[in-house]
Amino acid sequence: DAGVTQSPTHLIKTRGQQVTLRCSPKSGHDTVSWYQQALGQGPQFIFQYYEEEERQRGNFPDRFSGHQFPNYSSELNVNALLLGDSALYLCASSQGISNQPQHFGDGTRLSIL
Amino acid sequence: RKEVEQDPGPFNVPEGATVAFNCTYSNSASQSFFWYRQDCRKEPKLLMSVYSSGNEDGRFTAQLNRASQYISLLIRDSKLSDSATYLCVVRVQGGKLIFGQGTELSVKP
Repeated sequence: DAGVTQSPTHLIKTRGQQVTLRCSPKSGHDTVSWYQQALGQGPQFIFQYYEEEERQRGNFPDRFSGHQFPNYSSELNVNALLLGDSALYLCASSQGISNQPQHFGDGTRLSIL
Repeated sequence: RKEVEQDPGPFNVPEGATVAFNCTYSNSASQSFFWYRQDCRKEPKLLMSVYSSGNEDGRFTAQLNRASQYISLLIRDSKLSDSATYLCVVRVQGGKLIFGQGTELSVKP
């Protein structure tokens, strides 16, 4: 039973570039949420996708966008990268948008130079 | 004010010690409550859910006081393997998780 998988595991970009991160949810899960975790901080909610639509959004600028595909996998896109975007990006999946537990992937560590 | 606030760390304790973590949350409409554990440079993993009646899982006991908007985690008989960052988490309507900043625990021999 595959858990949540994210790719790539590490990524180095420069300011102004664009990046796409990918997430495949745990088998049987249809909801994907994305979080940003800066060093020494707890994860911060970016947005949640369910039925291929963005359902909730945290306090992140429009440079952060996403997509969910019919197979429930998801992408997080960040445009015009800033140094402050350096963080661990975590994907979590769950069944529905109710109170089912969320399972996290290993994350993508993004470094901006 | 942060939506979820935790004790600042780190906590450095000897093996066998009892350690308590405290957490407060500001959103009275919060629906579910959790403690997650995060090892260095790894993903958060669910440690336990927290219920108003209090719940226990082996050496771990969690308590929730909705009136005070307060959550706690007690670890008894600390093991070296308990060393990690402990994250207090609340879930609001729609499933969004709100994390505290985490409290680092270091258990020493």
